[in-house]
Amino acid sequence: AQRVTQPEKLLSVFKGAPVELKCNYSYSGSPELFWYVQYSRQRLQLLLRHISRESIKGFTADLNKGETSFHLKKPFAQEEDSAMYYCALRSNYQLIWGAGTKLIIKP
Amino acid sequence: NAGVMQNPRHLVRRRGQEARLRCSPMKGHSHVYWYRQLPEEGLKFMVYLQKENIIDESGMPKERFSAEFPKEGPSILRIQQVVRGDSAAYFCASSPTGGTGEQFFGPGTRLTVL
Repeated sequence: AQRVTQPEKLLSVFKGAPVELKCNYSYSGSPELFWYVQYSRQRLQLLLRHISRESIKGFTADLNKGETSFHLKKPFAQEEDSAMYYCALRSNYQLIWGAGTKLIIKP
Repeated sequence: NAGVMQNPRHLVRRRGQEARLRCSPMKGHSHVYWYRQLPEEGLKFMVYLQKENIIDESGMPKERFSAEFPKEGPSILRIQQVVRGDSAAYFCASSPTGGTGEQFFGPGTRLTVL
């Protein structure tokens, strides 16, 4: 079955500390994975996708097919990173979503 | 470009009433997707439409739910005879192309069924 798992509902780290938001997937094909972010009172927006291999706002994510993971990382957290983060997998035109992780950056 | 618009932002209905949720895609986008988010869960795909066509409604409950995207006007998600379990946030997304195109999301409609 196609599934996306984000094991942490809540992650709280201090400003300046490294951040890693976990995402594991189950998919019987070549996956296309995304991270979306939702800041307070704002709409969902695409943060990054694995095929572009880019770094956005200091975040990176590497697709690990062996571990079926697509963890989101940032070396030094900033207060403005506080938000809900969702990992998603494309299956045809559908996006299959994880339950999300709420990231809180403490000052 | 104003982005994807959804209205109303909040909708309260009593059990048995009908709910109509509207989505205006971004200018130039002819592909619309509806997702539902129950509390504490991720978004779940419901339906994918192009202008005047339903392409995939595999995620939509067979009864009481319907969707349309007419030639003119917004896409409508209609829920008849609402029940408490329909309470959720409903998100609409649009893309300029289907398949691999990036999906841009609206702010969502929060439906509460009393």
